[in-house]
Amino acid sequence: QSVLTQPPSVSAAPGQKVTISCSGSSSNIGNNYVSWYQQLPGTAPKLLIYDNNERPSGIPDRFSGSKSGTSATLGITGLQTGDEADYYCGTWDSSLSAVLFGGGTKLTVL
Amino acid sequence: EVQLVESGGGLVQPGGSLRLSCAASGFTFSSYWMSWVRQAPGKGLEWVANIKQDGSEKYYVDSVKGRFTISRDNAKNSLYLQMNSLRAEDTAVYYCAREGTSYYMDVWGKGTTVTVSS
Repeated sequence: QSVLTQPPSVSAAPGQKVTISCSGSSSNIGNNYVSWYQQLPGTAPKLLIYDNNERPSGIPDRFSGSKSGTSATLGITGLQTGDEADYYCGTWDSSLSAVLFGGGTKLTVL
Repeated sequence: EVQLVESGGGLVQPGGSLRLSCAASGFTFSSYWMSWVRQAPGKGLEWVANIKQDGSEKYYVDSVKGRFTISRDNAKNSLYLQMNSLRAEDTAVYYCAREGTSYYMDVWGKGTTVTVSS
């Protein structure tokens, strides 16, 4: 069971918007930056969001991140079938001195 | 092109050892923290260990402390993971990843598979 809690799955129709939550505590999300990763089937993870809400070059602005207190949220608008993937949040835990990942959320675009 | 290429995975018996390597290219390797992240079959991502630019700081997930050792050779642009006393639960794809300034992983290798089984 992960220290960072994500919903196991979310789904939405093409063109719609979806949000994925990541809940933690003051020792991790509450006092450290959050990142988000997309893992397409059979491939390595890919960085989508870093420092809570920054997008690396090449990541479309359909993807956004936010953080409030001890929770973070990934938003995806204009859903495409190619967005079907597993999504993970990540952060540093100052008490554990460890990088943490959430358990992952499987996105289905119906 | 920025690239990370892992090698060294394979089948090993419980209690055995394995050394993973990660060859970095296309960036100044010595300027970055580096991490190993693993993914057991059908499971999520699990961070394993990371190491500072000069190797002076290392951190590990509790489940591998005392069994795994992360190291690097900046002259060879290489990252390593020495894995001893391997257990079935260490079976996973192991990814090498470059860290950004706030513990995010911005470059990932394709992974190498480690299977611990008799």
